[in-house]
Parts: sequence; structure tokens; C-alpha cells
Amino acid sequence: SQQGEEDPQALSIQEGENATMNCSYKTSINNLQWYRQNSGRGLVHLILIRSNEREKHSGRLRVTLDTSKKSSSLLITASRAADTASYFCATGLAAGNKLTFGGGTRVLVKP
Amino acid sequence: DTGVSQNPRHKITKRGQNVTFRCDPISEHNRLYWYRQTLGQGPEFLTYFQNEAQLEKSRLLSDRFSAERPKGSFSTLEIQRTEQGDSAMYLCASLPAGSGNTIYFGEGSWLTVV
Repeated sequence: SQQGEEDPQALSIQEGENATMNCSYKTSINNLQWYRQNSGRGLVHLILIRSNEREKHSGRLRVTLDTSKKSSSLLITASRAADTASYFCATGLAAGNKLTFGGGTRVLVKP
Repeated sequence: DTGVSQNPRHKITKRGQNVTFRCDPISEHNRLYWYRQTLGQGPEFLTYFQNEAQLEKSRLLSDRFSAERPKGSFSTLEIQRTEQGDSAMYLCASLPAGSGNTIYFGEGSWLTVV
């Protein structure tokens, strides 16, 4: 079963625009992570946010976490064509434990 | 390249045949995970090891699937009597001991059962 569910399932934007995607989950977590996957490739880790954190930044990425609503968001600012990929949230119930993934958001950035 | 190596990258096999995938984790990573991913879906957990001990198995891991990590380094995932429903990408990932929660994935092994 999948713990996280991303919204929207697909997103199409112009280069330079911001892309926002959301993730909801069901149970209490230790951490939430976002991964990117290019077509046919493995997953690349983007950012990790712990349950006691509310916001983290990494370059053009901004992640928020609201544990009261059991939700997270990933914002990609000033998108580039190279950001075209699927983005997955994954939750960990304990440090070092397995991750449970959502179904992903497929992002298309048009040049 | 995360340093997690998977072989083969692609495998086409006839239904009923056995296949084996190998994963070499990042050196000294003591936890190793296997996931399965079908087109358009997120990865689904199969099993994980801490060193050579298999600590958890998903219900997705039917009796036709077996995973091993005999010396606590590389791992193999074998699928016996393959079925068309086994067609998927099999992802391996590893995690170092006691240094956070970031799990590093390999490029995956694609299986097509015809």
C-alpha cells in the first residue's frame, strides 16, 4: 500500500514558472523525502525534512511539512526544461527504516 | 551516479524462466533495500537487509521471489517461474549505518517477461 499520495498527478508549465506539488500521507512519520526520477532511470534524492521541521530549502527547491495536516509540498522555482521528470514523496516511519512512496507527480517543463 | 550498481540493467525473459538481479551497494552501507516499480507508479517496497540479515519482507514478495545478501555486501534478487505480471523495474537502494535517513538508489534493472 502507498502511504503518500501526490497531487497533481501531472503538471505542465513553461520554463521560468514555478512548479508546486503536494503530498499527503496517513500515519505519523519520522521523516519525509522527495525524489526525482527521469524517464527510465533510478531515483535521485532531492531533500529530506524531519518531522520536527517545517521548511527546508535546497537551491531552487523549497519543501514544507505540516504534520498536523499530514501533508508536504515541494516547490521548484524558476523551472528549467531539465526539471522535466517525475517527483515522488516518500515517508519513513523511523530513522533508517524503509521508505513508502506515493504515486508521483509527472512534471513537464516546456521550453 | 549514486554508487549503487545494479546488473543487468535490462533483461528480457520468457515466461516460466528464472531470472536473477544483482545489487552492489555503496561500500560500507549496511542496509540494503529492494523495491519494484511498474510504469506510472511509485516504487513499492519488497524487502530489506541489515548486513546479511533479512529484516522485513513485503507481502508482494511471493514464494517465487527470494533475496539474499550472504556476506552483507552485494545482494541478489531471484524470481523463479517468471510471469508477465513480474515485468517491472527492480530498484536497489542502500543506506549507511547511523548517519541519517537518505537512501541512495541504483539505476534499476528492467525486467520484461514475454
